[in-house]
Amino acid sequence: AAGVIQSPRHLIKEKRETATLKCYPIPRHDTVYWYQQGPGQDPQFLISFYEKMQSDKGSIPDRFSAQQFSDYHSELNMSSLELGDSALYFCASSLVSGGGASSDEQFFGPGTRLTVL
Amino acid sequence: AQRVTQPEKLLSVFKGAPVELKCNYSYSGSPELFWYVQYSRQRLQLLLRHISRESIKGFTADLNKGETSFHLKKPFAQEEDSAMYYCALSGPPGANSKLTFGKGITLSVRP
Repeated sequence: AAGVIQSPRHLIKEKRETATLKCYPIPRHDTVYWYQQGPGQDPQFLISFYEKMQSDKGSIPDRFSAQQFSDYHSELNMSSLELGDSALYFCASSLVSGGGASSDEQFFGPGTRLTVL
Repeated sequence: AQRVTQPEKLLSVFKGAPVELKCNYSYSGSPELFWYVQYSRQRLQLLLRHISRESIKGFTADLNKGETSFHLKKPFAQEEDSAMYYCALSGPPGANSKLTFGKGITLSVRP
């Protein structure tokens, strides 16, 4: 079965550069979540989208922005990169509209490892 | 504020030994509790959730609202259980079901 796809898998950038991370949810899933996991840290929620609209926002810096497109894929745009942005960025997708107890299980992608030099 | 605490970073046991991975939480309301597992070089995946009350791969977890705990247990550990385990919580099902994770624990099962 198709899983969540993230690209690129690895990305190396210099300070002050920009980066764009992409997430392709499981087909027919309507919700996308972004998480950031720093070295030795737990995944931290950044932002989520439901039916192409922002549904929740966590500890996401103002330098970051994200959107969900008409085909439900999502992009996380990161500008003025700092050393502290080096982390593993996970995307997860779920189907919220299906209803039922298991309808919102989040399925995770493999992550994009961003290194800022 | 919602919080998940996993007090230990590493648990090392021999094959066949019982395992208990501890998880405590704080949340104002009725949270949903989950255990996620990440095997070596694989993506994070759901192991079990409290509302389903299932036993997955021999693991069980009971939500104790009085102690605000959701400990993961297995009576006889197997080598293939070696992985990183994260306890997580979210609010009720819906579009705002962001997950709050604990810091995770590495389980190492020795032969």
